[in-house]
Amino acid sequence: ILNVEQSPQSLHVQEGDSTNFTCSFPSSNFYALHWYRWETAKSPEALFVMTLNGDEKKKGRISATLNTKEGYSYLYIKGSQPEDSATYLCATSGSARQLTFGSGTQLTVLP
Amino acid sequence: DAGITQSPRYKITETGRQVTLMCHQTWSHSYMFWYRQDLGHGLRLIYYSAAADITDKGEVPDGYVVSRSKTENFPLTLESATRSQTSVYFCASSPGLAGAPREQFFGPGTRLTVL
Repeated sequence: ILNVEQSPQSLHVQEGDSTNFTCSFPSSNFYALHWYRWETAKSPEALFVMTLNGDEKKKGRISATLNTKEGYSYLYIKGSQPEDSATYLCATSGSARQLTFGSGTQLTVLP
Repeated sequence: DAGITQSPRYKITETGRQVTLMCHQTWSHSYMFWYRQDLGHGLRLIYYSAAADITDKGEVPDGYVVSRSKTENFPLTLESATRSQTSVYFCASSPGLAGAPREQFFGPGTRLTVL
């Protein structure tokens, strides 16, 4: 994998459903993996910054895992709510903090 | 007000004109970044800066110039605007603490249209 790739590109779920998306990245020269939440007409907001293989982070109903050896991260949302509707971006960062973003997963939670 | 601001928020210009987008942050963050948002490409890094007077190219630097004479400001200049530079531009900043990498804080964006 040469670039940061996210799947699926878009996702529609019903309120109350749990969901997850995938971020794949080059496993060589790994430094850090970021997840951002981006609501329409707003700016991206950081969810997690992860560096260690096997790391798990949680913020409310949202959690993320990291596998640096195989180059993937999962983002989970438990009991999706309409306010969770947003584009979820993952990005890798280098030692100079510059981010390389994936194209994002657009989540729509239907009431 | 504290935070990161961008100006103008909206700009319409013509091909060939020089345009400068301003970014100002009040946190004294060492790192600052410029991204552009394009359909099918997501956010792509144009330039970044690790500190005042230190700048470096990102993924898509052609046609852009940056400077950072003060820690809090990071202007982006389009020397001769082209239609392909029509985009939404986001500025971001990040603390320059040693150790674990930190998140970036994004400004509200500038929507630029080049006619």
